[in-house]
Amino acid sequence: GAGVSQSPSNKVTEKGKDVELRCDPISGHTALYWYRQSLGQGLEFLIYFQGNSAPDKSGLPSDRFSAERTGGSVSTLTIQRTQQEDSAVYLCASSLSSGTDTQYFGPGTRLTVL
Amino acid sequence: GENVEQHPSTLSVQEGDSAVIKCTYSDSASNYFPWYKQELGKRPQLIIDIRSNVGEKKDQRIAVTLNKTAKHFSLHITETQPEDSAVYFCAAKILTGGGNKLTFGTGTQLKVEL
Repeated sequence: GAGVSQSPSNKVTEKGKDVELRCDPISGHTALYWYRQSLGQGLEFLIYFQGNSAPDKSGLPSDRFSAERTGGSVSTLTIQRTQQEDSAVYLCASSLSSGTDTQYFGPGTRLTVL
Repeated sequence: GENVEQHPSTLSVQEGDSAVIKCTYSDSASNYFPWYKQELGKRPQLIIDIRSNVGEKKDQRIAVTLNKTAKHFSLHITETQPEDSAVYFCAAKILTGGGNKLTFGTGTQLKVEL
């Protein structure tokens, strides 16, 4: 079946603009995660959803970052007033539920803030 | 919070040789340790995982060992092949009451030379 999809694949924006990144998880997966991967770095956890609720937002780096998930499916990550340090690949993953369920990653959105 | 350190950052081996990547974690409550492989320009994919109630797990040419006392775990790849060339990430997670997030290491760039 279809895997995790993300859009756009690439986004170039100017400093100070807002951006929205979209994630479509695998159908039926209740858990959804957002990570950020900076050049040459590991994956930095941002936020976790179980259904529509976000029990763990501990990784969001500032109040400029927010995320929502509606209908237990699609999620959007919004970055307001983007800064150059926000440039990274934003990866979304989903899993059937939680625990040891394998997290399947999407292809990522490469964000470049000029 | 959990901190995962990964070594080496780069590893070059001859085809057919073995490769070992090591990770340490800080939170003794972590009890689930997956390994992900990320080929250039592609998404991370789970290759093997281990829970803290076992010390070793094998899957064909790949094995993972866990030392709970020392809080370290390792990935072993035998008979390396060119297609093993990729970035490998270790991760740690607390399965219950831990917020459900994976904490990743910074990755190891493995290059298998002909």
